[in-house]
Amino acid sequence: QSALTQPASVSGSPGQSITISCSGTSSDVGGFNHVSWYQHHPGKAPNLLIYDVTNRPSGVSYRFSGSKSGNTASLTISGLQTEDEADYYCASYTTKYTYVFGTGTRVTVL
Amino acid sequence: QVHLVQSGAEAKKPGASVKISCKASGYTFNSYYIHWVRQAPGQGLEWMGIFDPTGVVTKYTQNFQGRITMTSDTSTTTVYMELSSLTSEDTAVYYCAREYPHTRYFDSWGQGTLVTVSS
Repeated sequence: QSALTQPASVSGSPGQSITISCSGTSSDVGGFNHVSWYQHHPGKAPNLLIYDVTNRPSGVSYRFSGSKSGNTASLTISGLQTEDEADYYCASYTTKYTYVFGTGTRVTVL
Repeated sequence: QVHLVQSGAEAKKPGASVKISCKASGYTFNSYYIHWVRQAPGQGLEWMGIFDPTGVVTKYTQNFQGRITMTSDTSTTTVYMELSSLTSEDTAVYYCAREYPHTRYFDSWGQGTLVTVSS
């Protein structure tokens, strides 16, 4: 199972919006509405931001939102803040009853 | 409050095995699956497998078939992941993560366990 494709890095200025894409296939992203997103600060445990493409767990800022079109999912961070600087990973359930993560995106706040 | 607390860092020689623990608290142990995910230095997250403490579901990704074993001890609410025939490519931080059955996402994670494989 190949990793889902994400851009290696995305940057933006405070207050701006950025979008991270997550490209897969019909066997994972396109085949299920089971795409989730995680924020990972190095040295810490990953944190769930979005599940089932668009849903936000309680406690996660409204500034994080998710969407999907075909085989590509996206995470948008609006009103970028310095604390948003981290690595972001998408993940998807697959037709092989397994899970696959994205390649990861480093977000930099300029 | 949900906690997944993992065992400490390990240093192993090539060919050895490592067994990492993930102690769960703050929820009904048998009601959630535990997944194992690893991150090699400079790399992304890699899903390794899923373990159901009730024994109904256990699946390992093909990359680790034959050298990974996941077990649990219900009396101590701990899940274990053992990886054998270690090589330097197994040097990574290993995480356990929780999933409520069939929700397909990981809502709580352990703090990670660094495993270093070196001669």
